[in-house]
Amino acid sequence: NFMLTQPHSVSESPGKTVTISCTRSSGSIASNYVQWYQQRPGSSPTTVIYEDNQRPSGVPDRFSGSIDSSSNSASLTISGLKTEDEADYYCQSYDSSNHGVFGGGTKLTVL
Amino acid sequence: EVQLVESGGGLIQPGGSLRLSCAASGFTVSSNYMSWVRQAPGKGLEWVSVIYSGGSTYYADSVKGRFTISRDNSKNTLYLQMNSLRAEDTAVYYCARYVAGLGRFDPWGQGTLVTVSS
Repeated sequence: NFMLTQPHSVSESPGKTVTISCTRSSGSIASNYVQWYQQRPGSSPTTVIYEDNQRPSGVPDRFSGSIDSSSNSASLTISGLKTEDEADYYCQSYDSSNHGVFGGGTKLTVL
Repeated sequence: EVQLVESGGGLIQPGGSLRLSCAASGFTVSSNYMSWVRQAPGKGLEWVSVIYSGGSTYYADSVKGRFTISRDNSKNTLYLQMNSLRAEDTAVYYCARYVAGLGRFDPWGQGTLVTVSS
């Protein structure tokens, strides 16, 4: 099986842009879709990006996703940061048996 | 509205058993892939198990042989039977619909806390 590696934490100022990476340890990042979930303290995860770069209705277009085969990684970019974006973010993919694989999570601080 | 509501968590001694329930509304459990995902206190998300619409089941190595996922079609409810519980099973347990082929978990329930301690 493979692993997804994220930075433990990132911080940025309001109004700026931040990018969170998610690197796949083996196999191609492009072979299975990547999702991104936002989790605020005490709440369940909610989807901010699905199928690599699709945004659910209700998620601001400040959130975008991409994959990069050269670095075998996915990225979540949040532009025009707001204090309400402060949360934990998890990338997630799956293997051929539909076993979910989660990254370790990244704590975003907007200061 | 599509919704999942978990119940059944609580404090249990090591070696004990507990059954979690996840009641679905707005969609049919038996027509979908359904999963359990857990989160230990202060830790990240960990996939636990999946049940296919056809009934096949799969487990993470950490729970294989101890946990059993099942469903009751008449009640539109998903279950997780947890036996031989260990301290490291302490976590919030979420149920989620798994969109096969796309690999997305959506929606998620609110979670139920299981604490394994003497």
